[in-house]
Amino acid sequence: GESVGLHLPTLSVQEGDNSIINCAYSNSASDYFIWYKQESGKGPQFIIDIRSNMDKRQGQRVTVLLNKTVKHLSLQIAATQPGDSAVYFCAELHNTDKLIFGTGTRLQVFP
Amino acid sequence: GAGVSQSPSNKVTEKGKDVELRCDPISGHTALYWYRQSLGQGLEFLIYFQGNSAPDKSGLPSDRFSAERTGGSVSTLTIQRTQQEDSAVYLCASSLSGRGGFGLTEAFFGQGTRLTVV
Repeated sequence: GESVGLHLPTLSVQEGDNSIINCAYSNSASDYFIWYKQESGKGPQFIIDIRSNMDKRQGQRVTVLLNKTVKHLSLQIAATQPGDSAVYFCAELHNTDKLIFGTGTRLQVFP
Repeated sequence: GAGVSQSPSNKVTEKGKDVELRCDPISGHTALYWYRQSLGQGLEFLIYFQGNSAPDKSGLPSDRFSAERTGGSVSTLTIQRTQQEDSAVYLCASSLSGRGGFGLTEAFFGQGTRLTVV
C-alpha cells in the first residue's frame, strides 16, 4: 500500500532532552502534512499540522519544520517527558484528499 | 458518540472464513478512512470515503477486500476468504473534511480491530 517513506525507527532520549523525529515524503504535490502520536494499543492521535506554504509551526512543546526543497518534515519535542514515549507518524494529504502515513518512529524516553 | 467506535475490538477467525469489521464515525464527519497496521509497521491506506463521492479504493490489496458506507455514516470493511497475511489491526478514522483549514483535516481514529487469522 501507499506510504510516506520514514527513516526509522527507534529514537532513545533522556528525559528533559529535546527530541527530533524526521520524515521524508515523496509526493511534491502534497500540500498538507500532519504528525500523529500512537501509544501502545491505541489509535493514532493528532499532534500538529502544517501547510506547504509554511516552513515552521509551533504548538505546545512541539514544533514542525517543513523543507519542501528536499521534501523533508521534522517534529521537534522540547523537554521530552516519559509520557512522550510512543510511535510517531508523519502523514501527507495528497491532492486526492487521502491521508498517507509513514512507517513511524518509536520514541523511547529514559529517566 | 464522542469518538470513532470500532467493533469488534478483537476478532479471531479461521482461514477461509469471511469477516466484517464495523466503524461508527464521529457524527457529521464526511470523510472516513480505513487503514491496516501490521505489527510494528506503519499505516497502510486501504480505502477512503468522502461524502457522496465515489470511494477511493486504490489501497485495497485484493478483490477479497471490500467496504461500504451506508447513509454517509457507518462503514463496514469485509474480508472474504481470510488468509493468515490478513492478520493485522484495522483502523478506521473520520474527519470533518478531507481538506480544509488547520484542524479541519484532523482525522480522529478509533481503537482498531485486531484481526487474527488462524
